[in-house]
Amino acid sequence: DAGVIQSPRHEVTEMGQEVTLRCKPISGHDYLFWYRQTMMRGLELLIYFNNNVPIDDSGMPEDRFSAKMPNASFSTLKIQPSEPRDSAVYFCASSFRGLYGYTFGSGTRLTVV
Amino acid sequence: TQLLEQSPQFLSIQEGENLTVYCNSSSVFSSLQWYRQEPGEGPVLLVTVVTGGEVKKLKRLTFQFGDARKDSSLHITAAQPGDTGLYLCAPAGSQGNLIFGKGTKLSVKP
Repeated sequence: DAGVIQSPRHEVTEMGQEVTLRCKPISGHDYLFWYRQTMMRGLELLIYFNNNVPIDDSGMPEDRFSAKMPNASFSTLKIQPSEPRDSAVYFCASSFRGLYGYTFGSGTRLTVV
Repeated sequence: TQLLEQSPQFLSIQEGENLTVYCNSSSVFSSLQWYRQEPGEGPVLLVTVVTGGEVKKLKRLTFQFGDARKDSSLHITAAQPGDTGLYLCAPAGSQGNLIFGKGTKLSVKP
């Protein structure tokens, strides 16, 4: 398996633009997590899915953020409109039953100017 | 709200030295994981500890889960430059999710 695949690796966008981050989890994993990492706050859980169903989205900062998982092999995190304070590294991770550890993707470094 | 503290925040040592980093909480956890994150990459799982007092070894790394399952430590013997990275502890939350600490940033100089 190629692991968790995220795209793009880097994204630079202007304030107010829509940004879509993509994730392909490991085949067979039933949990998918979206995290945001900054120096100040560390790794923050934004939302997670179990069997494609959102379970907890309490970490989503505001209505500008939305996430979907239309099938077991694909998820998106969308920010609309983007703001400079959204600049961070966004990680997707997947897990089998949440018991055996998370496998993280390499992240998307987002810069909003 | 579960408070999770990792210490020290930063650690810079010479190759060959020993070190210990800590992960402390006021809550009891069913299990705890340790991850290492290298620059530009996602965290990678090192170990899972489940039983209070459990000790696990991974080559030069020794992980211990506290008796009361509220704290954990990671000891590295004879550190090498390849050990450089951000070490994150992650206890299990109540719904199968992990709670990550802010980590200890370790730099091992040759």
